[in-house]
Amino acid sequence: DAGVIQSPRHEVTEMGQEVTLRCKPISGHNSLFWYRQTMMRGLELLIYFNNNVPIDDSGMPEDRFSAKMPNASFSTLKIQPSEPRDSAVYFCASSATGGTGELFFGEGSRLTVL
Amino acid sequence: AQSVTQPDIHITVSEGASLELRCNYSYGATPYLFWYVQSPGQGLQLLLKYFSGDTLVQGIKGFEAEFKRSQSSFNLRKPSVHWSDAAEYFCAVGGGGDYKLSFGAGTTVTVRA
Repeated sequence: DAGVIQSPRHEVTEMGQEVTLRCKPISGHNSLFWYRQTMMRGLELLIYFNNNVPIDDSGMPEDRFSAKMPNASFSTLKIQPSEPRDSAVYFCASSATGGTGELFFGEGSRLTVL
Repeated sequence: AQSVTQPDIHITVSEGASLELRCNYSYGATPYLFWYVQSPGQGLQLLLKYFSGDTLVQGIKGFEAEFKRSQSSFNLRKPSVHWSDAAEYFCAVGGGGDYKLSFGAGTTVTVRA
């Protein structure tokens, strides 16, 4: 079975540009999470979807960040406009509701904002 | 509120030696506990998990962990480390209906020859 698929793996952009990160969760999983990882702050939960509905977006840093999950097999995390402090690795993870809460992570999208 | 503390930021161990990584958690109910490993440039991979039953759980790559409720701990161990075990290790706690995990800050393991 395919795991969580994220794209792009690497993104380099200039400040002010729009960035869109994409995620395909594992088929059958109905919980999806976006995390951000930095040296300073470690792993931070940005947003959590259940059955395609955003349940908790309290971790989204500010209005420049938005996330959508139009269907069970696709989610996006958008940053507009991007800033250098957004540079980080962004992970998508999915899990099966009714399971033990184990998260399956993608390989991450490394974002560099110049 | 749930939280995880990993007291050791960095551990260096010789190849073939034993390894123990500490994890203390705070959780208001019966916790689900996890250890994840992250190799450089990779995502997090689950090593093992505990949610009920035997308090000593076995995982992949020869790792095991012991749940001690009285100490609120879930320490990870490996009897003999290999150079490929050099990575960052994260302990996480969760449970209940929302399945949100709280991660520790991670412990970086360096393996010397």
